[in-house]
Amino acid sequence: QKEVEQNSGPLSVPEGAIASLNCTYSDRGSQSFFWYRQYSGKSPELIMFIYSNGDKEDGRFTAQLNKASQYVSLLIRDSQPSDSATYLCAVNIAPSSNTGNQFYFGTGTSLTVIP
Amino acid sequence: DTAVSQTPKYLVTQMGNDKSIKCEQNLGHDTMYWYKQDSKKFLKIMFSYNNKELIINETVPNRFSPKSPDKAHLNLHINSLELGDSAVYFCASSQGQGAIYNEQFFGPGTRLTVL
Repeated sequence: QKEVEQNSGPLSVPEGAIASLNCTYSDRGSQSFFWYRQYSGKSPELIMFIYSNGDKEDGRFTAQLNKASQYVSLLIRDSQPSDSATYLCAVNIAPSSNTGNQFYFGTGTSLTVIP
Repeated sequence: DTAVSQTPKYLVTQMGNDKSIKCEQNLGHDTMYWYKQDSKKFLKIMFSYNNKELIINETVPNRFSPKSPDKAHLNLHINSLELGDSAVYFCASSQGQGAIYNEQFFGPGTRLTVL
């Protein structure tokens, strides 16, 4: 199992605040990075992905990637109670046409947004 | 239309029994996966298949045997079930060709309880 690490939390933020979620990975062959949200009892759903160094914004979400530091983060601005969920970081390692995409997940961070 | 479906949704069985979980995707994807999610929410990859060929087999006991009759199906058979097998099992699929931006689509999960 490739190592992908996240703070398990729980992380609590007040409504309207910025939530910051962090992820580190060990395999330098990792090509792309995904953030999934998982509500209790449901399956993971994609929030966004990033594969170039720097920031990528999508609505209230910003993903940040630093390949030199092997670090990827997710910022959630104006946090809402509906954002309360577990956030999973996933890395795609050395994809090829022969092997397809190989994803490894972190342990997830539980986020609670307090009204 | 359901993109990735799994049956059954719930499975309760006794130790020592043999059971199967079925997965089907109608997205035309080349790569399919099985994940095990324990009570701490860690999503651990078990197997991946690309074009019906086994790619990843992550230190999973021999009691677990995946079978891919065609690209749209990846079933999981478990022999001699143990208490530690209790978890939620997720099937997922991803487009092939190894493009780094390909995301995974998850099924609804199968909650397995071994008594």
